Amino acid sequence: GQQVMQIPQYQHVQEGEDFTTYCNSSTTLSNIQWYKQRPGGHPVFLIQLVKSGEVKKQKRLTFQFGEAKKNSSLHITATQTTDVGTYFCAGSGGAQKLVFGQGTRLTINP
Amino acid sequence: GAVVSQHPSRVICKSGTSVKIECRSLDFQATTMFWYRQFPKKSLMLMATSNEGSKATYEQGVEKDKFLINHASLTLSTLTVTSAHPEDSSFYICSAGLRQILAGETQYFGPGTRLLVL
Repeated sequence: GQQVMQIPQYQHVQEGEDFTTYCNSSTTLSNIQWYKQRPGGHPVFLIQLVKSGEVKKQKRLTFQFGEAKKNSSLHITATQTTDVGTYFCAGSGGAQKLVFGQGTRLTINP
Repeated sequence: GAVVSQHPSRVICKSGTSVKIECRSLDFQATTMFWYRQFPKKSLMLMATSNEGSKATYEQGVEKDKFLINHASLTLSTLTVTSAHPEDSSFYICSAGLRQILAGETQYFGPGTRLLVL
């Protein structure tokens, strides 16, 4: 079945440094979604990418969808302490259900 | 918009009892709702997909007689953990699917229910 791999599992940065998490699917995706989960909280939808090669920005966050629609990345520029949390990618192969990556836990040294 | 509520947020119960968790989409109709389970510091594991008015589709390894799902309306789905045991203790999260034009379906998550079975 479809698998979504996400790396790294953990990332610790100094405040102000950049951060990137990568997502790879075993199959071509129809779309990919990104979620953020704060410690003790629930996943919050960030963005959905649909088109091949798509790039979307939300302030300091940049999301990319690969040309082959099998990989994606989330890049945060100049991290702030409010960026702490676990970032999950979730891929859809066309069916309704999402397959989640393992998540990347971001911690920040102020 | 796209708010999903979940009740209760926390529940502690004795082993052998049943626990019902409600998931509601507050400001939209969701033809599909999803139930996930999340262990500490782990990813979300899909348990079942629930479509309004029909039987839920369970993922491999999830006991449908153990985790009863009812999706009675376009805004309400319930998960009942029957005869709960300590190994059922977990964080249960529901999501509701919102279909968007040209963008497929986006899932919006409820706040989750922390279940502790003693």
